[in-house]
Amino acid sequence: SQTIHQWPATLVQPVGSPLSLECTVEGTSNPNLYWYRQAAGRGLQLLFYSVGIGQISSEVPQNLSASRPQDRQFILSSKKLLLSDSGFYLCAWRSPGSGRSYNEQFFGPGTRLTVL
Amino acid sequence: ILNVEQSPQSLHVQEGDSTNFTCSFPSSNFYALHWYRWETAKSPEALFVMTLNGDEKKKGRISATLNTKEGYSYLYIKGSQPEDSATYLCAFGSGGSNYKLTFGKGTLLTVNP
Repeated sequence: SQTIHQWPATLVQPVGSPLSLECTVEGTSNPNLYWYRQAAGRGLQLLFYSVGIGQISSEVPQNLSASRPQDRQFILSSKKLLLSDSGFYLCAWRSPGSGRSYNEQFFGPGTRLTVL
Repeated sequence: ILNVEQSPQSLHVQEGDSTNFTCSFPSSNFYALHWYRWETAKSPEALFVMTLNGDEKKKGRISATLNTKEGYSYLYIKGSQPEDSATYLCAFGSGGSNYKLTFGKGTLLTVNP
């Protein structure tokens, strides 16, 4: 069966510090991978998605970047955090392939980031 | 920018009550509509993926309907229980091979014993 891991679970960082959040998926190959954020009072917002190693699409201009160095590893980074980067970050995966049966996305446990 | 709206924003019901929420989404370029259940401190849990106009799905006491022509979906919970307390999210799927979800802000359901 497939599992998805995220770490750390919680993080408190000062403004201007760097960020690295990691997501790994087990039990599947070549998944589509996604980073979402839920900021206070807002819905889940798609930040980045990836359909393969080194392939990153950004949905929203922002202070963050993403990388996919390995097939089942997805990393969210920032060089200098802003207060507005605070939120709950979720990683998700989806089976590759076409057809509506592959539409389901499965989420990791999330990381609560507080920038002070 | 796709607009996915959910109502109400929050809802308090008594144990045993039946309830329903609404999700509205663009009626053009429809691919799929997802419902998720999100409990505090847990991952969002997939409830349904609905693709065809008129779809009705059921899982236990929870069911959902879909109207793609007018752009709305209803989620129903029959005989609410305290363990149903959670945020219920709907998401509009688009993009084909680059499949992406656009989420609503969710409906927070609290079931009082």
